[in-house]
Amino acid sequence: DGGITQSPKYLFRKEGQNVTLSCEQNLNHDAMYWYRQDPGQGLRLIYYSQIVNDFQKGDIAEGYSVSREKKESFPLTVTSAQKNPTAFYLCATSRGTRNTEAFFGQGTRLTVV
Amino acid sequence: AQSVTQLDSQVPVFEEAPVELRCNYSSSVSVYLFWYVQYPNQGLQLLLKYLSGSTLVKGINGFEAEFNKSQTSFHLRKPSVHISDTAEYFCAVSDRGSTLGRLYFGRGTQLTVWP
Repeated sequence: DGGITQSPKYLFRKEGQNVTLSCEQNLNHDAMYWYRQDPGQGLRLIYYSQIVNDFQKGDIAEGYSVSREKKESFPLTVTSAQKNPTAFYLCATSRGTRNTEAFFGQGTRLTVV
Repeated sequence: AQSVTQLDSQVPVFEEAPVELRCNYSSSVSVYLFWYVQYPNQGLQLLLKYLSGSTLVKGINGFEAEFNKSQTSFHLRKPSVHISDTAEYFCAVSDRGSTLGRLYFGRGTQLTVWP
């Protein structure tokens, strides 16, 4: 079954703990993205990667880190430095060329208590 | 830099009525335009996209949008909505000249269809 798998769907963590969100794809897409969604704010780009072992900061990268060791995987770590981590996180992929749309996973809802 | 403005945060409408969700963008470069739909606690699904050619674009679920370059708008329309169209709708743009493929999103419009 082709697509983008984000896990887990729901995640609860205590304040001050790091947490890693998983994103795996079998679409053979080059580019991968992490977006954060908060109510009424749309989606904001955290990090993106066009190729393996390379990634760039998006608009709100502070308090987050990523890795891209394999084409299929782009995990996001929410660190204790992120001041307000409770949000809905969406992973997306695209072919990485012009005029192609992004495909989205089902999201992970992170709640920090 | 690009920015996207969705003029209505919430649009209530009765079933079988027409609907228009408005989107304006600002960009110093040429852009591609997209509309996505999101159902509760799910990811985004592409409704339609404008890349080039005809300014009237047809998408899934009976939606269509019209690109107006002079007004920098890309409004989404449906002539007759169903209860199942209740969802959040996002307008997005990407830079034509870039291979990055990153999207710039509006804040979303919650469409609620009442029986």
